[in-house]
Amino acid sequence: GESVGLHLPTLSVQEGDNSIINCAYSNSASDYFIWYKQESGKGPQFIIDIRSNMDKRQGQRVTVLLNKTVKHLSLQIAATQPGDSAVYFCAEGLNYGQNFVFGPGTRLSVLP
Amino acid sequence: KAGVTQTPRYLIKTRGQQVTLSCSPISGHRSVSWYQQTPGQGLQFLFEYFSETQRNKGNFPGRFSGRQFSNSRSEMNVSTLELGDSALYLCASSLEGSGGETQYFGPGTRLLVL
Repeated sequence: GESVGLHLPTLSVQEGDNSIINCAYSNSASDYFIWYKQESGKGPQFIIDIRSNMDKRQGQRVTVLLNKTVKHLSLQIAATQPGDSAVYFCAEGLNYGQNFVFGPGTRLSVLP
Repeated sequence: KAGVTQTPRYLIKTRGQQVTLSCSPISGHRSVSWYQQTPGQGLQFLFEYFSETQRNKGNFPGRFSGRQFSNSRSEMNVSTLELGDSALYLCASSLEGSGGETQYFGPGTRLLVL
């Protein structure tokens, strides 16, 4: 498959364990954040988003936490499955625009 | 509802040539953004179109241009190709391109410049 990034940070977790992927964002004015999942050979796929007036949001098996004080975002995946193996990107943006800035990505590898 | 589609999926060009990539957004979406993805630089914003007008622009040289048609379909063009333009070019669409809307990405066009 196509390589999204050759030297990405990699997180390896055992199937069934919980995963935590971290992201530091750069612009303290950013007020909208998204997590994307990108599988080999595909475009990024929306997972979950959060606005700056929240510090936690939950989806199906995923939770995003936002700490504006230290400009940190995390994605928690519960009961990680082999299908979760992918590169995960965080993106930050301003509420009025669409030119999101993406983080470098983290490769999640799920071990059987 | 069909997702974002991009054509072609793969393309090989030589230095100095020009290339045009096409993107069809999700039906009803009027905002189209383009991104370049490389292993070294990651995902970088190129530009965004809405109602046939370029509304936002990233930090890319003038060799990179685009346009949007009345049906919201968009094309991007790269002239005088350089080796460093080899990348995955992604298109993303959203309804209005405003206030924190989610963008939906297409599969990308993989461009190789020789």
